Amino acid sequence: QKELEQNSGPLSVPEGAIASLNCTYSDRGSQSFFWYRQYSGKSPELIMSIYSNGDKEDGRFTAQLNKASQYVSLLIRDSQPSDSATYLCAVRLGGADGLTFGKGTHLIIQP
Amino acid sequence: DAGITQSPRHKVTETGTPVTLRCHQTENHRYMYWYRQDPGHGLRLIHYSYGVKDTDKGEVSDGYSVSRSKTEDFLLTLESATSSQTSVYFCAISDAQGGTDTQYFGPGTRLTVL
Repeated sequence: QKELEQNSGPLSVPEGAIASLNCTYSDRGSQSFFWYRQYSGKSPELIMSIYSNGDKEDGRFTAQLNKASQYVSLLIRDSQPSDSATYLCAVRLGGADGLTFGKGTHLIIQP
Repeated sequence: DAGITQSPRHKVTETGTPVTLRCHQTENHRYMYWYRQDPGHGLRLIHYSYGVKDTDKGEVSDGYSVSRSKTEDFLLTLESATSSQTSVYFCAISDAQGGTDTQYFGPGTRLTVL
């Protein structure tokens, strides 16, 4: 059974600091990992995807994957108030299956 | 929203009535998905399609059916709506196969069943 655990928060981070979001997963067969951002009342939007162990950077965002420890994390550098949202981690086992989502972490960036 | 529209965007209906939600894409993507999002549960997969007339069940498929007669349209039907189906419904699409798939979401439909 695919399960994802995220701290629901809220996680409060001062503006300009690094926000660290974590997600652990239970299915070792998980192949693809995603981070989505969702503003209140809006649809999820993709931030990062990561498929292999290590770090992947895109602008202020860095995704980290550790398959041995079964966790994936998202770092947001120089946090801005506009980063305040709910962040969803998701995994895909493979094939054409849909994604399995965590319940999300509510991030608040304090000006 | 990556060329994805959902209709209606809001709907209020009564228990026992059938309801159909539509997802339309202009990206010509092969894969389409229906999710529901509820407080405390996150996003959960209802059904998905991997081609015209090819569909399969997801985690929470009971009480729902789907159809895909054209690449661009994926319909979700609540055969007899119940209050437990009050939710926000999202459609998603993807093109790549295998482990490098990325899904893009539509704007959502807020459904209330009274």
